[in-house]
Amino acid sequence: EAGVVQSPRYKIIEKKQPVAFWCNPISGHNTLYWYLQNLGQGPELLIRYENEEAVDDSQLPKDRFSAERLKGVDSTLKIQPAELGDSAVYLCASSLAGRGYEQYFGPGTRLTVT
Amino acid sequence: RKEVEQDPGPFNVPEGATVAFNCTYSNSASQSFFWYRQDCRKEPKLLMSVYSSGNEDGRFTAQLNRASQYISLLIRDSKLSDSATYLCVLSSNTGKLIFGQGTTLQVKP
Repeated sequence: EAGVVQSPRYKIIEKKQPVAFWCNPISGHNTLYWYLQNLGQGPELLIRYENEEAVDDSQLPKDRFSAERLKGVDSTLKIQPAELGDSAVYLCASSLAGRGYEQYFGPGTRLTVT
Repeated sequence: RKEVEQDPGPFNVPEGATVAFNCTYSNSASQSFFWYRQDCRKEPKLLMSVYSSGNEDGRFTAQLNRASQYISLLIRDSKLSDSATYLCVLSSNTGKLIFGQGTTLQVKP
């Protein structure tokens, strides 16, 4: 069975440029998460989707970050404009309904903003 | 104060050693607890859940002390392949997972 797929794996952009990350969760997983992980820190939740509904986006910096999961399957996270402090690994995870403790993570997108 | 606190380490131990990590949490309403493992430059993966009665999975033992608000992970007979970062994780009453910063373990030959 395929795991969580993310692309791109690496992205280098200049500050003030836009960037987008894509995630395809495990088939049948209706819950999808976007996390940010800084070096030496644990993942921090940005947004959680139950199907196509964002049920927890309290940690998403809405002035520059946006996310969508239009058909309740794959999802896109966008940053516009990017800042130097956005350099981090962006992880996508998915889980079955009712099993949010068992999250399956994708390999992440390593973003460098110069 | 962080919701989940861990000693980042690194813990450097020889093969075959027993090593223990502790983690403290601040929110007494936290519902469930877990340990995730993250290899260098890889994604986190669920290692095991943590129950008040304690639970064991092979060489790994996890325990929860709700009164003192800490959880622990004990690894016996350490292997080189155990080298990784171990993330202490709690689940809030809304189901949100909150990760600690992780404790790095290096097992040396």
